[in-house]
Amino acid sequence: QKEVEQDPGPLSVPEGAIVSLNCTYSNSAFQYFMWYRQYSRKGPELLMYTYSSGNKEDGRFTAQVDKSSKYISLFIRDSQPSDSATYLCAMDQGNQFYFGTGTSLTVIP
Amino acid sequence: SQTIHQWPATLVQPVGSPLSLECTVEGTSNPNLYWYRQAAGRGLQLLFYSVGIGQISSEVPQNLSASRPQDRQFILSSKKLLLSDSGFYLCAWSVQQDTQYFGPGTRLTVL
Repeated sequence: QKEVEQDPGPLSVPEGAIVSLNCTYSNSAFQYFMWYRQYSRKGPELLMYTYSSGNKEDGRFTAQVDKSSKYISLFIRDSQPSDSATYLCAMDQGNQFYFGTGTSLTVIP
Repeated sequence: SQTIHQWPATLVQPVGSPLSLECTVEGTSNPNLYWYRQAAGRGLQLLFYSVGIGQISSEVPQNLSASRPQDRQFILSSKKLLLSDSGFYLCAWSVQQDTQYFGPGTRLTVL
């Protein structure tokens, strides 16, 4: 069983839709949870990170963590074509980080 | 502010040739440094990480090696490249547990 599971998609939505991206994990020792956005042929860019269960909002993005269910989500409101990218979830334990395989998102104008 | 550089951006090398990829970080001290490989359609594979000068941990047995000659410099090397070494190589740094930052990557094609 992988440490982190993420649906690879692809996910295609119309502009303005609400997007929900999800990851599950198996290791209850994970403490920090991150979301990265990766455009084609670029390095991943950190979008958000959170420590505790609950919601964290930043503009159109909301990160949600449910430690009891070992489930994290990223919501994108009013999605834009510029949001088209691969989204990676990541979790940390000590000095090591564990990544999902990424979900490919396309927002259609 | 902190920045991370990687070079070259792209590289095409024949099988059996040597490899040297370089990564440098600016604006922070004593970072943890990481090398990842990302194959097409697959996730990030951790290759090496370092918590200090000369301290390298290898995660995957392979024909690659890493060195950290200076606090903010991390080098990925190979004596003889294989076809399977093709991929997108990413360097990353962290100083806290909660975040990790990536460089722009090097796209390596081995022919």
